[in-house]
This record gives sequence, structure tokens and C-alpha cells, in this order.
Amino acid sequence: ETGVTQTPRHLVMGMTNKKSLKCEQHLGHNAMYWYKQSAKKPLELMFVYSLEERVENNSVPSRFSPECPNSSHLFLHLHTLQPEDSALYLCASSHSGGTGELFFGEGSRLTVL
Amino acid sequence: QQQVKQSPQSLIVQKGGISIINCAYENTAFDYFPWYQQFPGKGPALLIAIRPDVSEKKEGRFTISFNKSAKQFSLHIMDSQPGDSATYFCAASGASGSARQLTFGSGTQLTVLP
Repeated sequence: ETGVTQTPRHLVMGMTNKKSLKCEQHLGHNAMYWYKQSAKKPLELMFVYSLEERVENNSVPSRFSPECPNSSHLFLHLHTLQPEDSALYLCASSHSGGTGELFFGEGSRLTVL
Repeated sequence: QQQVKQSPQSLIVQKGGISIINCAYENTAFDYFPWYQQFPGKGPALLIAIRPDVSEKKEGRFTISFNKSAKQFSLHIMDSQPGDSATYFCAASGASGSARQLTFGSGTQLTVLP
């Protein structure tokens, strides 16, 4: 495996379900990110972890809960989501303090019914 | 202000033509301006980037033009090809603690007709 891998690629859940998105990077980076991508809107930064510590939380609703157990893995735990949370969730990684080049995974397409 | 404004939202170009996408920013602390390319079903991938100490950077058919005084930068794709059809995002960031955080534009969907 190389690059940034996200699972599952597609997820359909009801508003009362609890699910998790997983991201794994094989690039030796030490910063990881969650972005939300909705149609015709800018990518929205949700969370940033650098050296396994959360350094940014852009006013994301508490129904999204990130977890970064080590520099290679990042999770996004989901519970009691709303239909407007349906989007593509992208994970990315980078070298902290570097140029800022992000390496993205292919995303997890989430549909909330 | 952290916003980056991108235009046009969509662009259709004939094969061999020049594609031009524009972005404007407000935060003068930004010091890194990348462009990302995204194909359907894929995550965005870095295409080309520039720092504000130069006014132009060229890599193959792709050129970034940067106007620091106007706080604008643009992507030019020369000799556009059907394989260039994708969504393009401009972005900007400044040093912020231990991890740089990119602010993205809203994207331009480019279609190159054969």
C-alpha cells in the first residue's frame, strides 16, 4: 500500500447510526487532516492533527469526533448525523512545518438518510 | 479574512486552446499558493505551486502567474488536452503553528473538447 488510503469508500447511514471513517498514510508524514467536500463549495478543513495532537477544530459539530492514535492513522467517528452532512470526506497528510503540500486519499462518500 | 475566491466555476475549452483560471485572496500573511487537480472519484493532487517572491512559475504546459500587489494568482494551461478535463482548486496558506492549513477556492470544472 502506498499513499493515503481511506475506508470505506462509500457509506450510507441513518441519522441514528454510529459509524467511523478510517484513514491510513504510508508516506512517513506527521500531520493528518480531515476535509469535507460538498458540491460547488470550497474544501472545508475540519480537523488537523500534528504529531498526533489536534491543532485545529474549525467549529465542527460534536457529532463528528476525530481520533489520531498514531501518526499513520486517523479516524472520524460519526454519530447522529444530519442529511446535510452527506458529502465526500477527504483525508490528507503532510510533513508538519514543510511546504504545506497535502497528499489526499480518494475520499469516503457519505450519504445520510 | 481567510477566503480564497476562484473563477470561473466552469470552463469549456477546445483542444489546443488556453485554459485560464483565476483566484484572489485577502490575507496578506499567505505565503504559499498551490493548485490542485481532481479527477472524478479521486482525491485532489498537487499540480503546481508558487511562493510570492516570484511572479511566474512554469512546469510543462502549466503556468502560475502571481500578482502580489493585486492579491491575485492564476493558472494557465497551454495546449489544453482532453486529459486535462478535471476540477481545479486554487489554495493558499501561511505558516500556522506546527501544521500548514490550506484554504481552498470553490473549484473550476474544466472540460476540454476533442
